[in-house]
Amino acid sequence: GAGVSQSPSNKVTEKGKDVELRCDPISGHTALYWYRQSLGQGLEFLIYFQGNSAPDKSGLPSDRFSAERTGGSVSTLTIQRTQQEDSAVYLCASSLGTTGQPQHFGDGTRLSIL
Amino acid sequence: AQTVTQSQPEMSVQEAETVTLSCTYDTSENNYYLFWYKQPPSRQMILVIRQEAYKQQNATENRFSVNFQKAAKSFSLKISDSQLGDTAMYFCAFDSFGNEKLTFGTGTRLTIIP
Repeated sequence: GAGVSQSPSNKVTEKGKDVELRCDPISGHTALYWYRQSLGQGLEFLIYFQGNSAPDKSGLPSDRFSAERTGGSVSTLTIQRTQQEDSAVYLCASSLGTTGQPQHFGDGTRLSIL
Repeated sequence: AQTVTQSQPEMSVQEAETVTLSCTYDTSENNYYLFWYKQPPSRQMILVIRQEAYKQQNATENRFSVNFQKAAKSFSLKISDSQLGDTAMYFCAFDSFGNEKLTFGTGTRLTIIP
């Protein structure tokens, strides 16, 4: 497709379970970003990839959160031992990778922890 | 660290009227970029307009224009001839060299009244 694709669209899971969220960026975009949006809040930066490397992981809230990107394309955000405070919409964006280039966002994954 | 402030949590306006959304930011950088993104209920973040700080001319995109006041660190969005489809959350965002991620404000919920 032409845009950023995220899956699943919605995920409901029990506290303590692990979850994987997937992001497929726009073809040719070297930069990939993960953000978290809690209910009624702005976007909180989690992690940034340039190619397959992650120069900035500063936003990951705890060591339960990790992310990887393979082949300079698809990225997976993994949350281990989920907690109720992890409930949020997780948004992925991609860009051409230079400062000032607009980021193009996917529709997000709404994660609900029971 | 950069901060972005949107002081209007909610606004409403009659269809066809003009509305201005406020945004202020704090940075010590001289070269940076500012964005307005729109998030309708569908959840996808859509780029509305982009401003380069080194350009004095205010950016415009059809019915959308900005009032960029660099000295005052202000970046307001004006929507002319508002339409029902403009109903959404609007986020102001900041990007600078070496930062490689967007810093978002908390958003303004705009409702266009028929």
